[in-house]
Amino acid sequence: EPEVTQTPSHQVTQMGQEVILRCVPISNHLYFYWYRQILGQKVEFLVSFYNNEISEKSEIFDDQFSVERPDGSNFTLKIRSTKLEDSAMYFCASSSQGAVGNSPLHFGNGTRLTVT
Amino acid sequence: LAKTTQPISMDSYEGQEVNITCSHNNIATNDYITWYQQFPSQGPRFIIQGYKTKVTNEVASLFIPADRKSSTLSLPRVSLSDTAVYYCLVGPKNRDDKIIFGKGTRLHILP
Repeated sequence: EPEVTQTPSHQVTQMGQEVILRCVPISNHLYFYWYRQILGQKVEFLVSFYNNEISEKSEIFDDQFSVERPDGSNFTLKIRSTKLEDSAMYFCASSSQGAVGNSPLHFGNGTRLTVT
Repeated sequence: LAKTTQPISMDSYEGQEVNITCSHNNIATNDYITWYQQFPSQGPRFIIQGYKTKVTNEVASLFIPADRKSSTLSLPRVSLSDTAVYYCLVGPKNRDDKIIFGKGTRLHILP
C-alpha cells in the first residue's frame, strides 16, 4: 500500500536555527497538509496546500513557517528561526481529493523536532 | 466544521466489543463522519468513514442513526494492540477546508 514518508524521523536543533522537514506524499494525491502534536496534546492543524498554494492555515502557522513543493514529489515545511515551543512531532498528510468529505487523510509517521 | 464530542477515555478488556460514541449535533447535510486511530509516536491512521446507516470494513463498524447527530465506532473483539487514541471527525463540505482533530478518546485495553 502506498504511504507518506517523512524525513528525518528525529531532528535536534538549537533555538534560532532554521529547519526543513521533508515529506513525500502519496504519488497521485493532490492535497497536502502539515500537522503538529506537542507531547501529550492533540493533533493540531498547521496548513493545507493545493495547486501550489496554501489553502488554509492556522494561527500557529505564522511568518516563521513556510511550505513548499519544490518538485513533483516532495513537500517541505520550513521553520525559519526555531523556538523552544516548536518542539513537537510534525506530521505530513496527503489526500487524493481533499478534506474529510470523501477522501481520508494519509499520514506519515512524523518527524520529532527537538529544539534546545 | 461540525463540532464533535467524545468520551475522553475508555477502558475495556481483551476479547470484548468496544463502542465509542461521538456526538455531532450540528452536522451539515454534506458532511461525512470519519474515524482515525493513533498509536503513540505515530501519525493518525484512517479507520472508517460513513455518511448514514452502517458501514463495515475489516477493522471496524460505524453505526450512524437516521438523524446523523451521533455515530458509534464499534471495534469487535479488541486486543491489547487496539490501545490507542480514536478521533471522530465530521465534515467539511469544502475540499480545502481545515481538517481539525479534537482530543479524541483514549482507549485502554486491559488483559
